[in-house]
Amino acid sequence: ETGVTQSPTHLIKTRGQQVTLRCSSQSGHNTVSWYQQALGQGPQFIFQYYREEENGRGNFPPRFSGLQFPNYSSELNVNALELDDSALYLCASSPTGFSYNEQFFGPGTRLTVL
Amino acid sequence: AQSVTQLDSQVPVFEEAPVELRCNYSSSVSVYLFWYVQYPNQGLQLLLKYLSGSTLVESINGFEAEFNKSQTSFHLRKPSVHISDTAEYFCAVSAGGAKGNDMRFGAGTRLTVKP
Repeated sequence: ETGVTQSPTHLIKTRGQQVTLRCSSQSGHNTVSWYQQALGQGPQFIFQYYREEENGRGNFPPRFSGLQFPNYSSELNVNALELDDSALYLCASSPTGFSYNEQFFGPGTRLTVL
Repeated sequence: AQSVTQLDSQVPVFEEAPVELRCNYSSSVSVYLFWYVQYPNQGLQLLLKYLSGSTLVESINGFEAEFNKSQTSFHLRKPSVHISDTAEYFCAVSAGGAKGNDMRFGAGTRLTVKP
């Protein structure tokens, strides 16, 4: 059974650029959530996708957008990057979209915005 | 919406000593509670969770947590820690019965176990 994988592991961008982060969910999971973890902080919920539709969104601006594909993998897109977007971006998958489910986290993508 | 407060940002302890990591939550509805652990350069892993039933829940590696509704707390305890328990611990809460994720994490507690 393959766990949650994310790519790339590290990324350096400059302010104003756009970035796409990718996540492959664990086998059998149809739900993917994305989190932003700033240095020294807990993960902050960005949004969740359940069966290719957005199923909840945190307090992030519209320049944070996402997609989920038929194989339940997912992308996080961030436009017009700002310095404060520098963080570890975590993807987590779960068997369903219900809140009682354990979430299985990937190792994260470290984004640095210069 | 729910919120979580982890009362200690850092907890240093000696090996084989007991430890308690404190977590308080706020919610207007029933909740599910989780503790996740993050080892250096790794993603988060579930340690234990409370959904319903017995208020004392245990993990396979000796940690336990007790759901206290009146105190709105979910403190994590271990009677004797090992060097390998050194990690960041996150308490998280989500609304009970909700469809859709609304999980909120605390800021984390860094547990450092010293020899």
